[in-house]
Amino acid sequence: EVQLVESGEGLVQPGSSMKLSCVASGFTFSNYGMNWIRQAPKKGLEWIALIYYDSSSKYYADSVKGRFTISRDNSKNTLYLEMNSLRSEDTAMYYCAKSRGGFGEDYFDYWGQGVMVTVSS
Amino acid sequence: NIVMTQSPKSMSISVGDRVTMNCKASQNVYNNIAWYQQKPGQSPKLLIYYASNRYNGVPDRFTGSGYGTDFTLTINSVQAEDAAFYYCQRIYNSPLTFGSGTKLEIK
Repeated sequence: EVQLVESGEGLVQPGSSMKLSCVASGFTFSNYGMNWIRQAPKKGLEWIALIYYDSSSKYYADSVKGRFTISRDNSKNTLYLEMNSLRSEDTAMYYCAKSRGGFGEDYFDYWGQGVMVTVSS
Repeated sequence: NIVMTQSPKSMSISVGDRVTMNCKASQNVYNNIAWYQQKPGQSPKLLIYYASNRYNGVPDRFTGSGYGTDFTLTINSVQAEDAAFYYCQRIYNSPLTFGSGTKLEIK
């Protein structure tokens, strides 16, 4: 059974940093692209970052480019999202999601349960 | 960047009715569209990929159609458990933009 389990939830102050993790199981993690998607309270889904199966390419939404970094450790079956210079508008539920293919620019067939990040003073 | 526009924003339907919701891309995306269902308090779930392919285990009352810029998700004989938000997403090239969603309520 495919499972994606995010961690790193919390409340942080504006301008600070935070790192999320997503541990994968039930599939060969190193073969698939992975993504982060967020959803602000009462709002829709926003794709924010994608990483290829081998970390050779990474893509970001304009809203997080230069502040957030996606990475992965295939030896640990883990996806990361390093978030810097956090703003109140980054407050959201953050989901990791598996892409159908290795390059990631494909549909998302499995999603984690999400973790809440709150940016507030 | 390509913008995905969904309509209507919400709809209220009776059990057994047929419902159609729309997704319009600002540029030609061929058949590179996915549809997801998100129920309250849950993660999104994949329904349809490449515009018209039903994902594993998705009931056959869900049908996707369209090509180019105009896409439709149809639910035949809506059930109470179909109450949810529905999102389309442009796939194949980043940014992998989502539409703003359609809220389906059951009367």
